[in-house]
Amino acid sequence: GAGVSQTPSNKVTEKGKYVELRCDPISGHTALYWYRQSLGQGPEFLIYFQGTGAADDSGLPNDRFFAVRPEGSVSTLKIQRTERGDSAVYLCASSLERSPGNTIYFGEGSWLTVV
Amino acid sequence: AQSVTQLDSQVPVFEEAPVELRCNYSSSVSVYLFWYVQYPNQGLQLLLKYLSGSTLVKGINGFEAEFNKSQTSFHLRKPSVHISDTAEYFCAVSGSGGTSYGKLTFGQGTILTVHP
Repeated sequence: GAGVSQTPSNKVTEKGKYVELRCDPISGHTALYWYRQSLGQGPEFLIYFQGTGAADDSGLPNDRFFAVRPEGSVSTLKIQRTERGDSAVYLCASSLERSPGNTIYFGEGSWLTVV
Repeated sequence: AQSVTQLDSQVPVFEEAPVELRCNYSSSVSVYLFWYVQYPNQGLQLLLKYLSGSTLVKGINGFEAEFNKSQTSFHLRKPSVHISDTAEYFCAVSGSGGTSYGKLTFGQGTILTVHP
């Protein structure tokens, strides 16, 4: 499909384990965003990439969270030493550029459950 | 920093009735405003956005919203709803500076349920 693709769609992991969540943005989109949506809440901004670089990581909750986008396309969100409070839907979004005229498209999300 | 308050967590309405979903925001800078819709098991989809210009913004599926700067509101309206409009609706805001676009602050969402 032509939309933002996220894998896995569901992930159950044990407390303390390491998790990787993958995002494949729309082809040609240079701007990529990660958000986190906890149950009953709206999405919260985590990090923004312009090309390969993390231009704004002010939303990452702590140093257990890290994201990369090595070739300016696919991005991976990495969570170390997972905690039960990390359980949420992790949303990826992309836009052609970081410009108000460009629509931000969201993927369906990766549901992470930490048990 | 910005914040968004969606005043109703759930709005039930009958088919073909009008609906208004309320959104208020707080910001110390000029803002862009958005409404997104999330259908069950789907990703967020942009309904409409206000960037500048006319305060009445028309979006997809017959929705519209009005930006009221003095009341810091951006309420979403539809004159006649359909069963297919049943979904969760999110209001969002970002600063209008060049480094702020895309860094959205969302409200908690309003679940719209349309009954036959």
